[in-house]
Amino acid sequence: DTGVSQNPRHKITKRGQNVTFRCDPISEHNRLYWYRQTLGQGPEFLTYFQNEAQLEKSRLLSDRFSAERPKGSFSTLEIQRTEQGDSAMYLCASSSGFSGRAKDSTGELFFGEGSRLTVL
Amino acid sequence: AQSVTQLDSQVPVFEEAPVELRCNYSSSVSVYLFWYVQYPNQGLQLLLKYLSGSTLVKGINGFEAEFNKSQTSFHLRKPSVHISDTAEYFCAVSDRATNKLIFGTGTLLAVQP
Repeated sequence: DTGVSQNPRHKITKRGQNVTFRCDPISEHNRLYWYRQTLGQGPEFLTYFQNEAQLEKSRLLSDRFSAERPKGSFSTLEIQRTEQGDSAMYLCASSSGFSGRAKDSTGELFFGEGSRLTVL
Repeated sequence: AQSVTQLDSQVPVFEEAPVELRCNYSSSVSVYLFWYVQYPNQGLQLLLKYLSGSTLVKGINGFEAEFNKSQTSFHLRKPSVHISDTAEYFCAVSDRATNKLIFGTGTLLAVQP
């Protein structure tokens, strides 16, 4: 399977604990995005990387959240001191971005199945 | 900044009837437009996209959408729906520089027999 892979698929934790999610993008994609989706809502942008550089962070990404993409391949999203309001589906997506040739970029994001977090 | 409005939170329709899901967007720059579908407990799957060229775009599962720049709309249509089309549908706009997607709040298409 060469799609976007996310682990774990489900995580149940107690309030105050730390959790970490991992995303493995499509191998040739240089851009990686994190989104959060709560019940009945559309996905909300959290942050994105181009290669290993984190280029944008949403105001939704409080100081308890940190994302990394150390080698420009997989990414991790860590939530420290979880709160019940953090319960959501965390979606990862990747895209090819622009290579300098417009025809190489379709603008399409490919999404993983998501990691569902439940904070008790 | 971009934004997307999906006015209909839920659209009930009978099987084999036509359907239109509405989407309006706001942006000060040129954008790409997308429709994604999400089945229960699954990730997002691309239905179709508008990048440039013909304003009528065809996607998977018999869906199509028309880009209307003057009305800043990108409505999704299907001439005859099936029970299996029951899902949440999200319209999204992408910043051409970053590919970052901004999603609408979604429309639940509920197909009834």
